Amino acid sequence: QVQLQQSGAELAKPGSSVKISCKASGYTFTSYYISWIKQTTGQGLEYIGYINTGSGGTNYNEKFKGKATLTVDKSSSTAFMQLSSLTPDDSAVYYCARWRYRGAGYYFDYWGQGVMVTVSS
Amino acid sequence: DIVLTQSPALAVSLGQRATISCRASESVRSSMHWYQQKSGQQPKLLIYGASNLASGVPARFSGSGSGTDFTFTIDPVEADDIATYYCQQSRNDPLTFGSGTKLEIK
Repeated sequence: QVQLQQSGAELAKPGSSVKISCKASGYTFTSYYISWIKQTTGQGLEYIGYINTGSGGTNYNEKFKGKATLTVDKSSSTAFMQLSSLTPDDSAVYYCARWRYRGAGYYFDYWGQGVMVTVSS
Repeated sequence: DIVLTQSPALAVSLGQRATISCRASESVRSSMHWYQQKSGQQPKLLIYGASNLASGVPARFSGSGSGTDFTFTIDPVEADDIATYYCQQSRNDPLTFGSGTKLEIK
C-alpha cells in the first residue's frame, strides 16, 4: 500500500534552518511528483510546491520561494524540504503528499502524517 | 490567487444529508477536489475532478458542480464523518484550498 512516512517533530530557533523528509513506499517513486503543504490554524492549508521525483525539477508557490527548497533522493525514495531563515510564522504542520493528475486537474491522493515544526527562541 | 470560500461549520443529524458548498473567485472548470481531515490526522482525498469518487471512498460521499460553484454531499451522515472538509482547486497556479467546513453532529 502507498505510504508516505515523514520525519519527526522539529524545534528550531529563529534564523536557523530545518530539513524534513518524506519517505515513499508501495509504489514506483519516480512515477509521481511529491508536493508539500503547510497547515496552520490561522492560514489553513497552503500549497508550497512540488518536485518532479524523476528529474528533480521543482515548482514553487511564489509565497514560498526563498523559504522552501525541495530536493529528492531517488536511491532511497525520499523527498526533502528545507525551510530556511525560520521565523515564528513558519511554525506549522508540514505535509508531503503525492501529486496526481487525471483529466480534471492535479490533486493529492496520499498524504504523509505531517511534521510539526515549532520556531521559538 | 483563486480564493475558495466555504462556510465555517455545519451541524447535521445522524442519518441526514450534509451539503457543503465551495465557491471559487473565478472559474476553475471541473478542477475541484475535496478532502476530509479528522482531528489530529492528515487530510484524505475523497473527491477529485468535482465529482469522481476516490478509490475506497464510500458512495455516501459525492460531489458536483463546475465553474465557480461546487457542492460536496454526505448522505447519510454517520458518526465517523465528524471532520473538517476542504475544497482545493487546481485550475490555476498556485493551487489553493478553502478554509474548511467543520461538520458537527446535532
